[in-house]
Amino acid sequence: EVQLVESGGGFVQPGGSLRLSCSASGLMFSWFAMHWARQTPGKRLEYVATIYGNGRDTHHADAVKGRFTISRDNEKSILYLDMTNLRVDDTAVYYCVDGLDNQSWGQGTLVTVSS
Amino acid sequence: VLTQAPATLSVSPGETVTLSCRASQSVNGAVRWYQQKSGQAPRLLIYGATTRATGVPARFSGGGSGTEFTLTITSLEVDDIAIYFCQQYYAWPPWTFGQGTTVDLK
Repeated sequence: EVQLVESGGGFVQPGGSLRLSCSASGLMFSWFAMHWARQTPGKRLEYVATIYGNGRDTHHADAVKGRFTISRDNEKSILYLDMTNLRVDDTAVYYCVDGLDNQSWGQGTLVTVSS
Repeated sequence: VLTQAPATLSVSPGETVTLSCRASQSVNGAVRWYQQKSGQAPRLLIYGATTRATGVPARFSGGGSGTEFTLTITSLEVDDIAIYFCQQYYAWPPWTFGQGTTVDLK
């Protein structure tokens, strides 16, 4: 069974930074693309970023491009999201999502950006 | 753009309900459906428009192609009360999600 456990969320002021982590187990981590998605306080789901198994190829949503960076450590089976220059509208629950057909989501970690 | 309808559906246990997801252009069957219960993460129900994910009860079925997709819950149970989202992954990245349909008790 795939398990994805996010951590690193918290309260930050506008312009601040956070690093989210997602520890994965139950899958051949390096074989699969991994994703971050988020859910706003209004319950809207949004795509954030993707990283392919090789760790080199990535894609970021336009809303976060240049501010967020997705990365992975295949040796440790950990996915990361480095978030800089955070804005109030980045406030959301951030989910780690695997790239399998029978896709799994983590339990999410809350990021609150407010002054 | 994915448009879900209706926004809210009030149902009684035992009813059969059909949720709609319409794409602004063809997504060639690359549609997922998720169930999200209160306080929980989304859970995958259907992928490839019609394939149930592992462990999903047979009362959930997906249909459609091109731009029109449906999720049908046959003989709805109280445990099925949740928000249901569709997602397209044909033209990805990025994925896009519908705005969700809330299924609650009448």
